[in-house]
Amino acid sequence: QQQVKQSPQSLIVQKGGISIINCAYENTAFDYFPWYQQFPGKGPALLIAIRPDVSEKKEGRFTISFNKSAKQFSLHIMDSQPGDSATYFCAATYSGAGSYQLTFGKGTKLSVIP
Amino acid sequence: DTAVSQTPKYLVTQMGNDKSIKCEQNLGHDTMYWYKQDSKKFLKIMFSYNNKELIINETVPNRFSPKSPDKAHLNLHINSLELGDSAVYFCASRKGLIYNEQFFGPGTRLTVL
Repeated sequence: QQQVKQSPQSLIVQKGGISIINCAYENTAFDYFPWYQQFPGKGPALLIAIRPDVSEKKEGRFTISFNKSAKQFSLHIMDSQPGDSATYFCAATYSGAGSYQLTFGKGTKLSVIP
Repeated sequence: DTAVSQTPKYLVTQMGNDKSIKCEQNLGHDTMYWYKQDSKKFLKIMFSYNNKELIINETVPNRFSPKSPDKAHLNLHINSLELGDSAVYFCASRKGLIYNEQFFGPGTRLTVL
């Protein structure tokens, strides 16, 4: 049973546009939601994360929006750049998840075209 | 100054062989993980380990075993390799008992022929 559902599977955005990736979770115990960015041939790296006590977190061009009642969260990339082209993973965990194991979504391959 | 390193980067082997992948972190972290990333890029936790407990994902075959000689190392041993074991394996580490960032290694691409 997949506990974190991510969409879309792939996304093509024009340079300067807004990229939006959505995730939905099932386990109401989750209380930490990070996003990881992975470039080809590299390991994932933390991009931005949010706790459910806030509805939005912004870091530069990257924003997480969180809707606790709907059990959904999303990543917005403003002014998307070709250098943002990568695979993005949402994830979730909670303190009872045994060493804070992350449950990942299936990933979204973002391509930003000039 | 590599934070999490893995060796080898590529591993090609025959079915039935036994192989190991090594992981080292120089961050002073106390929890380490192994993930499997399949051909569709799906990342799945295999193990998490700190000096107090080993947590094994229930779907991981017992042919896979983590071995930690010390806090900085968590190696992955795989016995009787199968075609379905072909994937990229990532080691990661994290500090402390709260919600801290997991740092991932560069990955090891395992190909079983």
